[in-house]
Amino acid sequence: EIVLTQSPGTLSLSPGERVTLSCRASQSVSSYLAWYQQKPGQAPRLLIYDASNRATGIPARFSATGSGTDFTLTISSLEPEDFAVYYCQQRINWPLTFGGGTKVEIK
Amino acid sequence: EVHLVESGGGLVTPGGSLRLSCAASGFTFSSYSMNWVRQAPGKGLEWVSSISGDTNYIYYADSVKGRFTISRDNTKNSLYLQMNSLRAEDTAIYYCARPPAGSRHFDYWGQGTLVTVSS
Repeated sequence: EIVLTQSPGTLSLSPGERVTLSCRASQSVSSYLAWYQQKPGQAPRLLIYDASNRATGIPARFSATGSGTDFTLTISSLEPEDFAVYYCQQRINWPLTFGGGTKVEIK
Repeated sequence: EVHLVESGGGLVTPGGSLRLSCAASGFTFSSYSMNWVRQAPGKGLEWVSSISGDTNYIYYADSVKGRFTISRDNTKNSLYLQMNSLRAEDTAIYYCARPPAGSRHFDYWGQGTLVTVSS
């Protein structure tokens, strides 16, 4: 099973700040990594697929890079609606696995 | 517009059974694999099971293998999860999720249905 480790666990930031989230895989997932955003009481929303491709309707302030085992999600300037939990997910191998999540909270 | 609506959750005692359903609309159901993903209260996401559009390929997480059975009825545009021998650790919101054709990330999710396993 591929283990995805997200860091940090929690980030306390202010609107307008730039944020970078990390996801590290226990073995290579090539570029088969997705990022999701989840707000309280809601289902997850796909942000990024295949490491760097924004999903439909996702604002340009969200960007992502990486391949192999190290991936980052960047939000260039935090908007109030971006405070949420972010998860990464690999799709190269079964079982599909998610990272433990990074919570981005308001400072 | 794609819609996924789960149902069938509820309170069940340990060792009991429950069958979840997911009603799909807005796309050609039989052309897409479908998945169940769960989230325990206050915890992260856990993929549970996947079934291909033609039902030829089925996968399970080790944590549910032998206890849960995924199935689908393409004539009814519906996905199911039969859950047997339920344990307290199966308590979670269960989401139905659809990947894009040929992929395994999830671009559409239902609103989830809560399963609580408790005596």
